[in-house]
Amino acid sequence: EDQVTQSPEALRLQEGESSSLNCSYTVSGLRGLFWYRQDPGKGPEFLFTLYSAGEEKEKERLKATLTKKESFLHITAPKPEDSATYLCAVQAVETSGSRLTFGEGTQLTVNP
Amino acid sequence: DAGVTQSPTHLIKTRGQQVTLRCSPKSGHDTVSWYQQALGQGPQFIFQYYEEEERQRGNFPDRFSGHQFPNYSSELNVNALLLGDSALYLCASSLVYGHSQFFGPGTRLTVL
Repeated sequence: EDQVTQSPEALRLQEGESSSLNCSYTVSGLRGLFWYRQDPGKGPEFLFTLYSAGEEKEKERLKATLTKKESFLHITAPKPEDSATYLCAVQAVETSGSRLTFGEGTQLTVNP
Repeated sequence: DAGVTQSPTHLIKTRGQQVTLRCSPKSGHDTVSWYQQALGQGPQFIFQYYEEEERQRGNFPDRFSGHQFPNYSSELNVNALLLGDSALYLCASSLVYGHSQFFGPGTRLTVL
């Protein structure tokens, strides 16, 4: 069974204080690892897809990296508008379908 | 380019009733997946539709059923509602065998 564990559950940062969120995963065969941002009461917003170990992707203050067992979302010099819940999900190589298995998320608060 | 749309935004039902939620996929997408997200948790996969057939199903009872129409839009039906069915119901669309799923804003279902 595919499993995703995210840590920490919650993180408080001061504006400009860089940090990283962790996503550990267990999957039979990884097709892709996904990062989403979710604001309260809204649907997840797609950020990145990573396909293989060693891959990195960047978008503004966010950088996602992938190893064979975990992924990191690095946040550089965060701003208050980066406050949200960040979700990690994996998609396994399957003969039919493309379900996502999500972690519980990391709730990030950036104080001005 | 319209993204994924869902209706209604909010819904209040009582135990034992039935509910139908609707989803229109992102333009060009032909696969629709449904997820249930309880408060403070990550989304849980319900099922996925492609070519008007259920292709993959998560660990949800038969009270949860769905349909996909020729224009790729989809419905989620839940019968005999329980208090525990209260959640945010998310629809995501993608290209079949494509890796990135894009989410709609969700429908907040409250069961009293």
